[in-house]
Amino acid sequence: EAGVTQSPRYAVLQEGQAVSFWCDPISGHDTLYWYQQPRDQGPQLLVYFRDEAVIDNSQLPSDRFSAVRPKGTNSTLKIQSAKQGDTATYLCASSFSQNTLYFGAGTRLSVL
Amino acid sequence: GNSVTQMQGQVTLSEEEFLFINCTYSTTGYPTLFWYVQYPGEGPQLLLKVTTANNKGSSRGFEATYDKGTTSFHLQKASVQESDSAVYYCVLGDSNYQLIWGSGTKLIIKP
Repeated sequence: EAGVTQSPRYAVLQEGQAVSFWCDPISGHDTLYWYQQPRDQGPQLLVYFRDEAVIDNSQLPSDRFSAVRPKGTNSTLKIQSAKQGDTATYLCASSFSQNTLYFGAGTRLSVL
Repeated sequence: GNSVTQMQGQVTLSEEEFLFINCTYSTTGYPTLFWYVQYPGEGPQLLLKVTTANNKGSSRGFEATYDKGTTSFHLQKASVQESDSAVYYCVLGDSNYQLIWGSGTKLIIKP
């Protein structure tokens, strides 16, 4: 069984640039999560979906971050105008009916 | 509100030593408790999961017991190996299926 796939693995940007992260969850998993993990810290939830619906995006900086999951399968997280404080690893996870989460390897973002 | 506390930021052991990682939690109700492990360059992966129904979980030589009296969920392993070097997260799953993560404990094993 394929795991959660994320791309790209690494991204390096200048402040003000935009970037998108892509996630392909485990087949059949209805719930998809995006987490931000700053260096040497635990994961912090940004947003999660059940199928195509956003369930909780209260921690997503809505002025610059957006996330979609239009067909209830793959998802894209976008940062419109990156800041140095966005430097972190962005993790995607999926689950079936909010049971055990399975994480991808993450995208490591550096904003210079 | 819900919270998870891991006081040990880092633990350093030699191979074959006993591992104990402290975790305490605060919540109402009967949460599910997890230990996730994160190896360098990878996402976290589930190590073990315990609910109120089973009280104790074990996996790959690791054990954790759900103690409602002391609100603790400590992780133990009798004899660590170098391959156990990783960051270990204690995680609380509340009644709304939200996950509350501890700050993590980095385990360093000296060869």
